[in-house]
Amino acid sequence: EDKVVQSPLSLVVHEGDTVTLNCSYEVTNFRSLLWYKQEKKAPTFLFMLTSSGIEKKSGRLSSILDKKELFSILNITATQTGDSAIYLCAVYAGGSYIPTFGRGTSLIVHP
Amino acid sequence: EAQVTQNPRYLITVTGKKLTVTCSQNMNHEYMSWYRQDPGLGLRQIYYSMNVEVTDKGDVPEGYKVSRKEKRNFPLILESPSPNQTSLYFCASKFRGSYEQYFGPGTRLTVT
Repeated sequence: EDKVVQSPLSLVVHEGDTVTLNCSYEVTNFRSLLWYKQEKKAPTFLFMLTSSGIEKKSGRLSSILDKKELFSILNITATQTGDSAIYLCAVYAGGSYIPTFGRGTSLIVHP
Repeated sequence: EAQVTQNPRYLITVTGKKLTVTCSQNMNHEYMSWYRQDPGLGLRQIYYSMNVEVTDKGDVPEGYKVSRKEKRNFPLILESPSPNQTSLYFCASKFRGSYEQYFGPGTRLTVT
């Protein structure tokens, strides 16, 4: 059975801190890993990763995949209160276009 | 504007009273799906559809039905809702060969 585990489950930081969120997976025939941000509404797409070692970057957010160790990290530098959200990781594997989601990491950024 | 819409956004109902949550997308996506989100459990897939008249069970299909008569619409039907179906529901869509899903705004359902 495919498994996606996110850690930590929750995180509380202050503005300006840097955070690292982790998504590890155990799947058969990995194809891609996606990160989503969910504020008080629908998840919105952040990054898609398919190759090891290639960093994806958007402003203060960046993500990288390690296919040997089977995990991805999402880094947020100089956090702001607007970064407060649940961050979801989803993995596609095998011949399926149906993702397996992790339980998410809840990030709270205090002013 | 490209979007996925759901209705209603909020619904409080009683046990056993049939209800339908509608989902519509205007992006000509082949693939549509329904998820429920519960605290500590993340997103769990209920049903999905790869195209018109093609539907299949996800991880938690019990107590739900779906239909896909048109490409843009994918309603979720609860024939006899029970309190354990109280949850936040999301509809999502994407192109069949793609990975990125577009989510609707969510429907918060309470069954008493």
